[in-house]
Amino acid sequence: EVQLVESGGGLVQPGGSLKISCAASGFRFTDFAMHWVRQASGKGLEWVGRVRSKPNSYATAYDESLEGRFTISRDDSKNMAYLQMNSLKTEDTAVYYCTRRAEWELGGMDVWGQGTTVTVSS
Amino acid sequence: AVQMTQSPSSLSASVGDRVTITCRASQDIRNDLGWYQKKPGKAPRLLIFAGSTLQSGVPPRFSGSGSGIDFTLTISSLQPEDFATYYCLQDYNYLWTFGPGTKVEIK
Repeated sequence: EVQLVESGGGLVQPGGSLKISCAASGFRFTDFAMHWVRQASGKGLEWVGRVRSKPNSYATAYDESLEGRFTISRDDSKNMAYLQMNSLKTEDTAVYYCTRRAEWELGGMDVWGQGTTVTVSS
Repeated sequence: AVQMTQSPSSLSASVGDRVTITCRASQDIRNDLGWYQKKPGKAPRLLIFAGSTLQSGVPPRFSGSGSGIDFTLTISSLQPEDFATYYCLQDYNYLWTFGPGTKVEIK
């Protein structure tokens, strides 16, 4: 079964850091770019960023509003993707989803995790 | 970054109605646009990619059209399970952006 499972969400104080993870299974992980998308309560979907595959130099890109506070990485040996979040703000409180997009086929973000909740509060 | 707008922001419709949602990009994005369905407490679901290609497993009552700046998602006959919020997403360049969403409610 093709699956993405996020973990590591929780409560963190403003200014703190948190690293959340995404475990992939059931597909060739190395053929996909991995993306993170978030949704704050009552708000719309927001693309956070992505990490591409090894042939694409593990290139990363991030929403400009994040001001360099977030870093996305991957470990192909473990079929894992990560989102490191630093200098967290209350407005970063959201459900964070990981998702995939095929590198060499036309398509969209077709498989999603169930989401992990990050709450930034004192 | 490319900015996306959607209209309407919400609509009320009945089962069986034809529903049309539009999405406009701030610049030409060719056909690099997808449509996603989001229900509360559920992960987003890909409906359409590359402007008009139906994702496998998505009912054919969903269709997408457009290229360049203006795009449309059409639901030909609204079903009870279609009440949700719909988002467009441009993937034209390395910075992707979602539209603000269109909430489809029961009339």
